Amino acid sequence: GESVGLHLPTLSVQEGDNSIINCAYSNSASDYFIWYKQESGKGPQFIIDIRSNMDKRQGQRVTVLLNKTVKHLSLQIAATQPGDSAVYFCAEAETGANNLFFGTGTRLTVIP
Amino acid sequence: NAGVTQTPKFRILKIGQSMTLQCTQDMNHNYMYWYRQDPGMGLKLIYYSVGAGITDKGEVPNGYNVSRSTTEDFPLRLELAAPSQTSVYFCASSISRNYGYTFGSGTRLTVV
Repeated sequence: GESVGLHLPTLSVQEGDNSIINCAYSNSASDYFIWYKQESGKGPQFIIDIRSNMDKRQGQRVTVLLNKTVKHLSLQIAATQPGDSAVYFCAEAETGANNLFFGTGTRLTVIP
Repeated sequence: NAGVTQTPKFRILKIGQSMTLQCTQDMNHNYMYWYRQDPGMGLKLIYYSVGAGITDKGEVPNGYNVSRSTTEDFPLRLELAAPSQTSVYFCASSISRNYGYTFGSGTRLTVV
């Protein structure tokens, strides 16, 4: 079966520092990856996605890196703010699949 | 543009009772999904639909049923509620496969 996991269940960073959240996946056929942010009591919110023909994609204060060789995905958040405190999920899908598979999440806490 | 709307937000059921969790989206998305999220866990797919009249099972379909009579609506039915169904339920939609999902705000269900 699919396996999408995270290296660390929790991460604490100082406000203003950069955050890096990691995710490992096991399905070599996966070619689409997404990061979601979930604040307490809310539904997951799309942050950024990347397809397997890319190894890096940037958004506003966020960067996703994809290393297909070692099946690793990371989310970098620049100048982390208190509003970034949330649980972050990675999700992946393979070509032709009708749904995403989600990891268990990493809780990011920003220390003011 | 409301996105994905879920009702109710909270519900307490007694064992053996039934209920329908409502989900509607106004983005004309073909794909819709139901996930459950247990405490400290990731999202598990219950059922999904690739268009009106088409539904299929996900990872954890037992104890649930769905229908998709219109593009907009994708209700989830629990026929005989069990304590194991205590969870937070999220509905999501996407324009196509391998595109980011838009999630609703969730329904917190407790079965006692």
